[in-house]
Amino acid sequence: GAVVSQHPSRVICKSGTSVKIECRSLDFQATTMFWYRQFPKKSLMLMATSNEGSKATYEQGVEKDKFLINHASLTLSTLTVTSAHPEDSSFYICSARDRGGRVTDTQYFGPGTRLTVL
Amino acid sequence: GNSVTQMEGPVTLSEEAFLTINCTYTATGYPSLFWYVQYPGEGLQLLLKATKADDKGSNKGFEATYRKETTSFHLEKGSVQVSESAVYFCALSGKGQNFVFGPGTRLSVLP
Repeated sequence: GAVVSQHPSRVICKSGTSVKIECRSLDFQATTMFWYRQFPKKSLMLMATSNEGSKATYEQGVEKDKFLINHASLTLSTLTVTSAHPEDSSFYICSARDRGGRVTDTQYFGPGTRLTVL
Repeated sequence: GNSVTQMEGPVTLSEEAFLTINCTYTATGYPSLFWYVQYPGEGLQLLLKATKADDKGSNKGFEATYRKETTSFHLEKGSVQVSESAVYFCALSGKGQNFVFGPGTRLSVLP
């Protein structure tokens, strides 16, 4: 099946620093990638939709200047949490939609990145 | 808008018991329906899916049937194992639309 990787899997940083999380589709091209945030024992909250070569579309209430998204290629999207604060601590999960030359609704998820801001 | 409702957990079962996790949805059009599983500390894995009414998705002994008349996609398994303790998410996606996830149901299987 399709594989999506994330790096790093865990990161601990000091308040005020910026953290970059990478999401890669390893065996398929993804014109669209998605970034989710998951709070403990909660469901996934869509943060933004990332389209290759264009600006990301952010969901209501998500600060675009806080969560910078870059989708520079068909296999890589990055999420940068700028000036992180303890309230940004969370589990961040990316997913990718298989381009595949056909319309498909399936998203493949990365393993997630646990961010802890001290 | 589209929405997904799942039974509240946690669900606690003994090993080899029968599992049912209810899922109902509200959507315009004819979405695809999915079950994802999340093991502790990991991301989501696609468990099964169905793309049209009356389709049955199945994988690893898990099954779910797309019931348009009852707008449901209940997950079932005849005999659960301890290793299948996880959180199960029901989700839907319309053509070209974003995913909508249910709140998740935590399953604990006891030996």
